[in-house]
Amino acid sequence: GAVVSQHPSRVICKSGTSVKIECRSLDFQATTMFWYRQFPKQSLMLMATSNEGSKATYEQGVEKDKFLINHASLTLSTLTVTSAHPEDSSFYICSADRDSANNEQFFGPGTRLTVL
Amino acid sequence: DQQVKQNSPSLSVQEGRISILNCDYTNSMFDYFLWYKKYPAEGPTFLISISSIKDKNEDGRFTVFLNKSAKHLSLHIVPSQPGDSAVYFCAARSGGYQKVTFGIGTKLQVIP
Repeated sequence: GAVVSQHPSRVICKSGTSVKIECRSLDFQATTMFWYRQFPKQSLMLMATSNEGSKATYEQGVEKDKFLINHASLTLSTLTVTSAHPEDSSFYICSADRDSANNEQFFGPGTRLTVL
Repeated sequence: DQQVKQNSPSLSVQEGRISILNCDYTNSMFDYFLWYKKYPAEGPTFLISISSIKDKNEDGRFTVFLNKSAKHLSLHIVPSQPGDSAVYFCAARSGGYQKVTFGIGTKLQVIP
């Protein structure tokens, strides 16, 4: 199967700092990548859809100025949590769409963000 | 408003028996349904899917059933194996859009 990696897997930061999370498709090109967030005991919630070479599409209620997404190449998308606060502590997962026709997304292992 | 619901947070099944995981949805526009499996510290992996034009899809030990009138689908695993122990997410999408809506997940434990 296709492989998607995320880095870092775990990050702890102080309130007010910015954190960048990378999502890479290792063995395929992904025109579209997705960023999800999962709070404890809740489902994966789509935050935004990232398209290579264009602006990301954010879901309702997600602040685009706080969660900056850059999809600079067909294998890399980054999510930057700016001015992080404790309520941003969550599990962030990216996925990449290898073949839209098959409706299959491949997920990264996730990044656990803890904001102190 | 949770459009995909998995009302059982956990399920325990004896090895060799059948595991049945249930999922209900409210959005009648959903036309494609997926099941994902997730181990701790890993991302979800695709397991099986079904289009709304079908009522059953089978892949080895895994079968997904869809009842459109009831807006209900289920995943059957038979025989269940200890390695099947994981969290299973039901998900749905509509109209060819890539956006996938997930349920909260059901934690399956298969007891040896």
